[in-house]
Amino acid sequence: EEQLVESGGGLVQPGGSLRLSCAASGFTFSDYLTHWVRQAPGKGLMWVSRIREDGGTLSYADSVKGRFTISRDNAKNTVYLQINSLTAEDTAVYYCGRGLPHKYTFDIWGQGTAVTVSS
Amino acid sequence: QSALTQPASVSGSPGQSITISCTGASSDVGGYNYVSWYQQHPGKVPKLLIFEVSNRPSGVSNRFSGSKSGNTASLTISGLQAEDEADYYCFSYTSSSTYVFGTGTKVTVL
Repeated sequence: EEQLVESGGGLVQPGGSLRLSCAASGFTFSDYLTHWVRQAPGKGLMWVSRIREDGGTLSYADSVKGRFTISRDNAKNTVYLQINSLTAEDTAVYYCGRGLPHKYTFDIWGQGTAVTVSS
Repeated sequence: QSALTQPASVSGSPGQSITISCTGASSDVGGYNYVSWYQQHPGKVPKLLIFEVSNRPSGVSNRFSGSKSGNTASLTISGLQAEDEADYYCFSYTSSSTYVFGTGTKVTVL
């Protein structure tokens, strides 16, 4: 079964950091891009970041640029999202998604990992 | 990177057709044929319905169809069913090499 599994979320104080992971299985991970998307409680979806198959050409939403860093380790079939200088506005469920090459969309989503920023 | 504009809610009776609009700009929706649509049931993970404006992934019902005119994309649900009650989001590539979601539309089946 093709799947993505996120981990690394939790409760963190304002100004703190977390590293989220997205582990892939059931498909050739290095053939696909990976996106991160978040959804604040009761709110809509927000695209966060994208990394290409080879780890090049990183892309970020303006609201997270400079605070979030996406990376990947194809040997471990895993993408990471380092999130720093967290504020309450970053409280959300963070999903990773498998990006289809040349299609500018993503088809498989993980179940998400919840990040709560609170003192 | 302002969110694409969608109506907050759309409703219809079973069997009817409804259309959800998604309005952007020439730098996103209007500039590329890279508009997708996702369906999200409460408490569930979003599901891809349409990509590249009008293409359906394998397994998605042909009751869902997409189109685009200028800076506005549209999702039409034909033969509305109770199971279609969900939130729907459009999604587009942008000229900044980033992506943007729509504001989301809640579909209610009367």
